[in-house]
Amino acid sequence: HLVLTQSPSASAPLGASVKLTCTLSSGHSRYGIAWHQQQPEMGPRFLMKLDSDGSHYKGDGIPDRFSGSSSGAERYLTISSLQSEDEADYYCQTWDTGIQVFGGGTKLTVL
Amino acid sequence: EVQLVESGGDLVQPGRSLRLSCTTSGFTFGDYAISWVRQAPGKGLEWVGFIRRIVHGGTAEYAASVKDRFTISRDDSQNIAHLQMSSLKTEDTAVYYCARSNSGCIDQWGQGTLVTVSS
Repeated sequence: HLVLTQSPSASAPLGASVKLTCTLSSGHSRYGIAWHQQQPEMGPRFLMKLDSDGSHYKGDGIPDRFSGSSSGAERYLTISSLQSEDEADYYCQTWDTGIQVFGGGTKLTVL
Repeated sequence: EVQLVESGGDLVQPGRSLRLSCTTSGFTFGDYAISWVRQAPGKGLEWVGFIRRIVHGGTAEYAASVKDRFTISRDDSQNIAHLQMSSLKTEDTAVYYCARSNSGCIDQWGQGTLVTVSS
Protein backbone atom coordinates (compact mmCIF):
# COMPACT_ATOMS: atom_id res chain seq x y z
CA HIS A 1 0.00 0.00 0.00
CA LEU A 2 1.71 3.11 -1.32
CA VAL A 3 1.56 5.96 1.20
CA LEU A 4 3.46 9.23 1.64
CA THR A 5 3.86 10.72 5.11
CA GLN A 6 4.61 14.39 5.79
CA SER A 7 4.76 16.39 9.01
CA PRO A 8 1.75 18.74 9.18
CA SER A 9 3.77 21.86 9.92
CA ALA A 10 7.23 23.39 9.90
CA SER A 11 8.65 26.83 10.60
CA ALA A 12 11.92 28.69 10.18
CA PRO A 13 13.09 32.31 10.33
CA LEU A 14 13.34 34.60 7.33
CA GLY A 15 16.71 34.06 5.63
CA ALA A 16 17.31 30.66 7.22
CA SER A 17 17.12 27.20 5.66
CA VAL A 18 14.50 24.52 6.20
CA LYS A 19 14.37 20.86 5.23
CA LEU A 20 10.98 19.25 4.67
CA THR A 21 10.60 15.47 4.72
CA CYS A 22 8.39 13.07 2.79
CA THR A 23 8.54 9.40 3.82
CA LEU A 24 7.61 6.55 1.51
CA SER A 25 5.80 3.54 2.93
CA SER A 26 7.56 0.25 3.59
CA GLY A 27 8.62 -1.54 0.43
CA HIS A 28 8.58 1.61 -1.68
CA SER A 29 11.92 3.14 -0.81
CA ARG A 30 13.12 3.18 -4.43
CA TYR A 31 10.23 5.27 -5.71
CA GLY A 32 10.69 8.74 -7.05
CA ILE A 33 8.47 11.60 -5.99
CA ALA A 34 7.55 15.11 -7.02
CA TRP A 35 7.38 18.19 -4.78
CA HIS A 36 4.65 20.77 -5.28
CA GLN A 37 4.14 24.16 -3.65
CA GLN A 38 0.78 25.77 -2.98
CA GLN A 39 0.86 29.39 -1.87
CA PRO A 40 -2.19 30.78 -0.05
CA GLU A 41 -5.27 31.04 -2.23
CA MET A 42 -3.36 29.75 -5.25
CA GLY A 43 -3.24 26.54 -7.26
CA PRO A 44 -0.35 24.12 -6.83
CA ARG A 45 2.93 24.61 -8.65
CA PHE A 46 5.36 21.85 -9.61
CA LEU A 47 8.75 22.35 -7.96
CA MET A 48 10.77 19.29 -8.87
CA LYS A 49 10.92 15.59 -9.58
CA LEU A 50 13.21 13.76 -7.15
CA ASP A 51 14.58 10.26 -7.71
CA SER A 52 15.73 7.75 -5.11
CA ASP A 53 19.38 8.51 -5.84
CA GLY A 54 18.84 12.20 -5.09
CA SER A 55 18.95 13.36 -8.69
CA HIS A 56 16.28 15.90 -9.41
CA TYR A 57 15.04 18.20 -12.10
CA LYS A 58 13.17 21.37 -11.36
CA GLY A 59 10.27 23.04 -13.04
CA ASP A 60 10.64 26.18 -15.11
CA GLY A 61 11.58 29.24 -13.08
CA ILE A 62 12.12 27.44 -9.80
CA PRO A 63 14.91 29.28 -7.94
CA ASP A 64 18.21 27.64 -7.04
CA ARG A 65 17.21 28.07 -3.37
CA PHE A 66 15.05 24.97 -3.79
CA SER A 67 16.84 21.63 -3.84
CA GLY A 68 16.04 18.00 -3.27
CA SER A 69 17.82 15.00 -1.80
CA SER A 70 17.06 11.40 -0.82
CA SER A 71 18.07 8.91 1.84
CA GLY A 72 16.46 5.48 1.97
CA ALA A 73 12.70 5.98 2.06
CA GLU A 74 13.03 9.68 2.89
CA ARG A 75 12.73 12.41 0.30
CA TYR A 76 13.72 15.92 1.23
CA LEU A 77 13.01 19.41 0.02
CA THR A 78 15.48 22.01 1.24
CA ILE A 79 14.71 25.70 0.90
CA SER A 80 17.59 28.04 1.65
CA SER A 81 17.56 31.80 2.22
CA LEU A 82 13.88 31.64 3.15
CA GLN A 83 11.73 34.44 1.81
CA SER A 84 8.25 35.49 2.85
CA GLU A 85 6.77 34.10 -0.37
CA ASP A 86 8.01 30.63 0.57
CA GLU A 87 5.29 30.49 3.21
CA ALA A 88 3.04 27.88 1.65
CA ASP A 89 1.83 24.30 1.77
CA TYR A 90 4.22 21.75 0.32
CA TYR A 91 3.00 18.41 -1.01
CA CYS A 92 4.91 15.38 -2.14
CA GLN A 93 3.42 13.12 -4.81
CA THR A 94 4.32 9.69 -6.12
CA TRP A 95 2.96 7.13 -8.51
CA ASP A 96 2.72 3.46 -9.36
CA THR A 97 0.88 1.48 -12.03
CA GLY A 98 -2.64 2.85 -12.14
CA ILE A 99 -2.37 5.20 -9.21
CA GLN A 100 -1.07 8.56 -8.09
CA VAL A 101 -0.66 9.43 -4.42
CA PHE A 102 -0.25 12.65 -2.46
CA GLY A 103 1.16 13.20 0.98
CA GLY A 104 -0.92 15.12 3.48
CA GLY A 105 1.14 18.28 3.01
CA THR A 106 3.38 20.39 5.23
CA LYS A 107 2.40 23.94 6.09
CA LEU A 108 5.56 26.04 6.17
CA THR A 109 5.55 29.22 8.24
CA VAL A 110 8.31 31.78 7.71
CA LEU A 111 8.92 33.53 11.04
CA GLU B 1 3.85 28.74 -22.60
CA VAL B 2 2.25 25.61 -21.20
CA GLN B 3 -1.34 26.22 -20.11
CA LEU B 4 -4.09 24.06 -18.66
CA VAL B 5 -7.41 25.80 -18.08
CA GLU B 6 -10.29 24.14 -16.26
CA SER B 7 -13.89 25.14 -16.79
CA GLY B 8 -17.37 23.93 -15.96
CA GLY B 9 -17.37 24.25 -12.20
CA ASP B 10 -20.75 25.10 -10.73
CA LEU B 11 -23.21 24.71 -7.87
CA VAL B 12 -25.09 21.45 -8.36
CA GLN B 13 -27.56 19.46 -6.28
CA PRO B 14 -26.66 16.07 -4.79
CA GLY B 15 -27.32 13.23 -7.20
CA ARG B 16 -26.90 15.39 -10.29
CA SER B 17 -24.15 15.34 -12.91
CA LEU B 18 -21.55 17.84 -14.08
CA ARG B 19 -18.83 17.84 -16.71
CA LEU B 20 -15.54 19.66 -16.30
CA SER B 21 -13.22 20.51 -19.15
CA CYS B 22 -9.46 20.97 -19.27
CA THR B 23 -8.35 23.00 -22.27
CA THR B 24 -4.63 22.87 -22.95
CA SER B 25 -2.04 24.67 -25.07
CA GLY B 26 1.68 25.12 -25.36
CA PHE B 27 2.67 21.46 -25.46
CA THR B 28 2.05 18.29 -27.47
CA PHE B 29 -1.10 17.06 -25.77
CA GLY B 30 -0.79 13.51 -27.05
CA ASP B 31 2.60 13.04 -25.38
CA TYR B 32 1.15 13.24 -21.87
CA ALA B 33 -1.33 11.67 -19.53
CA ILE B 34 -3.83 14.03 -17.93
CA SER B 35 -4.66 13.83 -14.24
CA TRP B 36 -7.48 15.27 -12.18
CA VAL B 37 -6.83 16.26 -8.57
CA ARG B 38 -9.25 17.86 -6.14
CA GLN B 39 -8.99 19.85 -2.95
CA ALA B 40 -11.89 20.08 -0.53
CA PRO B 41 -12.16 23.32 1.45
CA GLY B 42 -9.33 23.53 3.98
CA LYS B 43 -8.00 20.09 3.04
CA GLY B 44 -5.06 18.65 1.14
CA LEU B 45 -4.74 17.45 -2.42
CA GLU B 46 -6.58 14.27 -3.39
CA TRP B 47 -5.91 12.34 -6.58
CA VAL B 48 -9.13 11.74 -8.53
CA GLY B 49 -7.89 9.89 -11.60
CA PHE B 50 -5.88 10.07 -14.80
CA ILE B 51 -6.14 9.10 -18.44
CA ARG B 52 -3.22 7.56 -20.27
CA ARG B 53 -1.83 8.66 -23.59
CA ILE B 54 -3.55 7.17 -26.64
CA VAL B 55 -0.38 5.23 -27.50
CA HIS B 56 -0.69 3.62 -24.07
CA GLY B 57 -4.30 2.68 -24.66
CA GLY B 58 -6.01 5.91 -23.60
CA THR B 59 -7.46 4.11 -20.59
CA ALA B 60 -8.28 5.76 -17.29
CA GLU B 61 -7.76 4.91 -13.63
CA TYR B 62 -9.72 6.29 -10.69
CA ALA B 63 -9.52 6.73 -6.96
CA ALA B 64 -11.80 4.41 -5.02
CA SER B 65 -13.85 7.39 -3.80
CA VAL B 66 -15.01 8.26 -7.33
CA LYS B 67 -14.77 4.97 -9.21
CA ASP B 68 -17.98 4.08 -11.03
CA ARG B 69 -19.26 7.68 -10.69
CA PHE B 70 -16.59 9.70 -12.53
CA THR B 71 -15.30 9.22 -16.07
CA ILE B 72 -12.26 10.85 -17.65
CA SER B 73 -11.99 11.23 -21.42
CA ARG B 74 -9.66 12.99 -23.84
CA ASP B 75 -9.88 14.43 -27.33
CA ASP B 76 -6.39 14.71 -28.76
CA SER B 77 -7.67 16.51 -31.87
CA GLN B 78 -8.85 19.37 -29.64
CA ASN B 79 -6.15 19.15 -26.93
CA ILE B 80 -8.84 18.83 -24.30
CA ALA B 81 -9.74 16.45 -21.49
CA HIS B 82 -13.01 16.07 -19.63
CA LEU B 83 -14.08 14.87 -16.22
CA GLN B 84 -17.68 13.64 -16.25
CA MET B 85 -19.06 13.47 -12.72
CA SER B 86 -22.32 11.73 -11.91
CA SER B 87 -24.26 10.87 -8.75
CA LEU B 88 -22.54 13.79 -7.05
CA LYS B 89 -22.33 13.85 -3.28
CA THR B 90 -21.79 16.74 -0.88
CA GLU B 91 -18.33 15.33 -0.15
CA ASP B 92 -17.37 15.91 -3.80
CA THR B 93 -17.36 19.65 -3.08
CA ALA B 94 -13.86 20.83 -3.96
CA VAL B 95 -11.67 22.79 -6.30
CA TYR B 96 -10.85 20.48 -9.19
CA TYR B 97 -7.50 20.77 -10.91
CA CYS B 98 -6.36 19.18 -14.12
CA ALA B 99 -2.67 18.50 -14.47
CA ARG B 100 -0.18 17.22 -16.97
CA SER B 101 1.49 13.95 -16.04
CA ASN B 102 4.75 12.59 -17.37
CA SER B 103 5.22 8.90 -16.47
CA GLY B 104 3.20 9.48 -13.30
CA CYS B 105 4.89 12.70 -12.25
CA ILE B 106 2.62 15.75 -12.34
CA ASP B 107 4.68 18.58 -13.84
CA GLN B 108 2.12 21.25 -14.77
CA TRP B 109 -1.11 22.37 -13.12
CA GLY B 110 -4.20 24.26 -14.11
CA GLN B 111 -5.65 27.01 -11.93
CA GLY B 112 -8.67 24.98 -10.78
CA THR B 113 -12.45 25.20 -10.98
CA LEU B 114 -14.84 25.08 -8.01
CA VAL B 115 -17.54 22.44 -7.76
CA THR B 116 -20.08 22.87 -4.99
CA VAL B 117 -22.54 20.07 -4.31
CA SER B 118 -25.37 21.29 -2.14
CA SER B 119 -29.15 21.31 -2.01
